[in-house]
Amino acid sequence: DQQVKQNSPSLSVQEGRISILNCDYTNSMFDYFLWYKKYPAEGPTFLISISSIKDKNEDGRFTVFLNKSAKHLSLHIVPSQPGDSAVYFCAAKRNYGGSQGNLIFGKGTKLSVKP
Amino acid sequence: SQTIHQWPATLVQPVGSPLSLECTVEGTSNPNLYWYRQAAGRGLQLLFYSVGIGQISSEVPQNLSASRPQDRQFILSSKKLLLSDSGFYLCAWSAGMRAFFGQGTRLTVV
Repeated sequence: DQQVKQNSPSLSVQEGRISILNCDYTNSMFDYFLWYKKYPAEGPTFLISISSIKDKNEDGRFTVFLNKSAKHLSLHIVPSQPGDSAVYFCAAKRNYGGSQGNLIFGKGTKLSVKP
Repeated sequence: SQTIHQWPATLVQPVGSPLSLECTVEGTSNPNLYWYRQAAGRGLQLLFYSVGIGQISSEVPQNLSASRPQDRQFILSSKKLLLSDSGFYLCAWSAGMRAFFGQGTRLTVV
């Protein structure tokens, strides 16, 4: 049972345009969401997060939108740059410890930004 | 600042051989520690987590085990590797809402 779903395994975007990566979740108890970026043969690095009390969080070129009623979040990158090419993982967690507090990841979306 | 060390970076092991991957964290105390595996097309799968010394919880049944002999040390082991154990293994720590990952170990079982 996949609680965090990234239904697009890959996405190709032209440099300068907007990249939109989508993520859906099934567990309504999730209350914190994160995006990680991963280059090949490296560990994921934290990119941006959002609490369930918000519907938008912006950090430079990166914006995360949360639609709680639809159990959907998206990451917008604008403008996209070739260095953004990587695998992006969506993750969710419940805001307390124990097993319920662990990060649950989606399968990732490979973003390719073409020059 | 906190850092996480994971080694080795790559490992090729024959089927049936043992495994020991080590992870250490610096600059923090009593972190939650995690082992994840990234297998092809399957995202990041949580294998084990630990909230303290000697406290290990397993998320999925498997051929692997984990131990936490010291506060900032987390070890992933196997007595006999299977071909299906191949993958990219990631250690992570958290002390709040985010998890911070090591550089990963690429394990190939041949």
